[in-house]
Parts: sequence; C-alpha cells; structure tokens
Amino acid sequence: EVQLVESGGGLVKPGGSLRISCAASGFTFSSYIMNWVRQAPGKGLEWVSYISSGSNYIYYADSLKGRFTISRDYAKNSLYLQMNSLRPEDTAVYYCARGGAVAGLFFEYWGQGTLVTVSS
Amino acid sequence: DIQMTQSPSSLSASVGDRVTITCRASQGINNYLAWYQQRPGKAPKLLIYAASTLQSGVPSRFSGSGSGTDFTLTISSLQPEDVATYYCQKYNSAPLTFGPGTKVDIK
Repeated sequence: EVQLVESGGGLVKPGGSLRISCAASGFTFSSYIMNWVRQAPGKGLEWVSYISSGSNYIYYADSLKGRFTISRDYAKNSLYLQMNSLRPEDTAVYYCARGGAVAGLFFEYWGQGTLVTVSS
Repeated sequence: DIQMTQSPSSLSASVGDRVTITCRASQGINNYLAWYQQRPGKAPKLLIYAASTLQSGVPSRFSGSGSGTDFTLTISSLQPEDVATYYCQKYNSAPLTFGPGTKVDIK
C-alpha cells in the first residue's frame, strides 16, 4: 500500500525558515516523480514544486521566487521542502504527492498534509 | 503560462442527477488533463488522468472527456458521497496548474 506521511509543519515567524518532510513507503521511491502541492485555508490547490525520479529535473512555481528548495533522500525514502524567507501568504497545508506511472506529471497518491502557519 | 478555468464555480443537484463540470485551458494541452476530488477536510484524490482514463478504484459513474483546450468531468448519477470540490489540472509541462475548483453540493 502506498503511504505518504508529511511532518515538520508548525508555526514560524515571517522571514523564518522551516523544512518539511514526507516519508514514502509501499512503492519504489527512486522510480517516481515527487511533488509538493499546497492549499491555503479556504482556497484552491497550488502546485509548488516537483523533482524527477533521478533528481536531475527540478521545477518550482514562479510565485516562490527562489525561496523554496525541494530535495529527496533515496536511502531514507524521503522527500523534503526547505522553505526560507517565509511570508504570511505561505500559510497553507502542504501535501506531498507522488507522480503517476511512466513519468506522469499528475498526482496519483497524496499524503494527509502538514500545516505551515506563518505569523508573528 | 497556460491558465485553467472551470465552470461552474459551484452547483447544487439532486441525488441521481447527471452533473457536468467544464474545464478549459488557455492553450492546447492535448490530453494532459487530470481531475481530482477533494472531500471536506480531506486530501485530494485522483479520479481521472489523460483526460478520460479512470483511476483504479474510482466508481464508473465518473467519466472524463475532451482534448486540446476543452474538457468535461461527468458524474452520471450523483451520490451523497460525491459532495466535494472538484479540480482539473494540466500536466503537459511545468507549471502544473490547477483550475480554481467546482464545489458540488446535494440539493
């Protein structure tokens, strides 16, 4: 069974940093694109970033302006998102999502999400 | 960047009704279109990918169609458990943009 479990969310002050994690199990982690998608309270879904199966292709939403960094650890079957210079508008539930088979850039499996709140 | 729109933004229908949601891309995306269901307080769930391929385990009352710029999600017979917000997403290339969502309620 595919499982994606996010952790590391919490309250952080504007301008601060936070790293969130996603532990993956139930599939061959090194074979799939992995993504971060976020959802601000009461709002729609917003794709944040993806990293290819071999970490050689990485893309970010333009709105992030270089503040976020995605990475993955194959030994730990984990995905990470390092978030710097956080702003109140970054407040959201952050979901980890696995890509579809054959390099599909849709989101086949989702975690339960971790809430990041940016507030003074 | 390609923009995604959805209509309507919300709808209310009776149990058993046929429901259709439309998604439009500002430029052609072939069939690189997925649909998701998000029930209140839950993570999104993939329903359809490649515009019309039903994800394993999804009830057959859900179907998708379209190609290029215009797509539809149809629920053939609305059930109480279908109360949710539905999102389309284009995935031909980054950025992987979602539509704004369509909220479906029971009348």
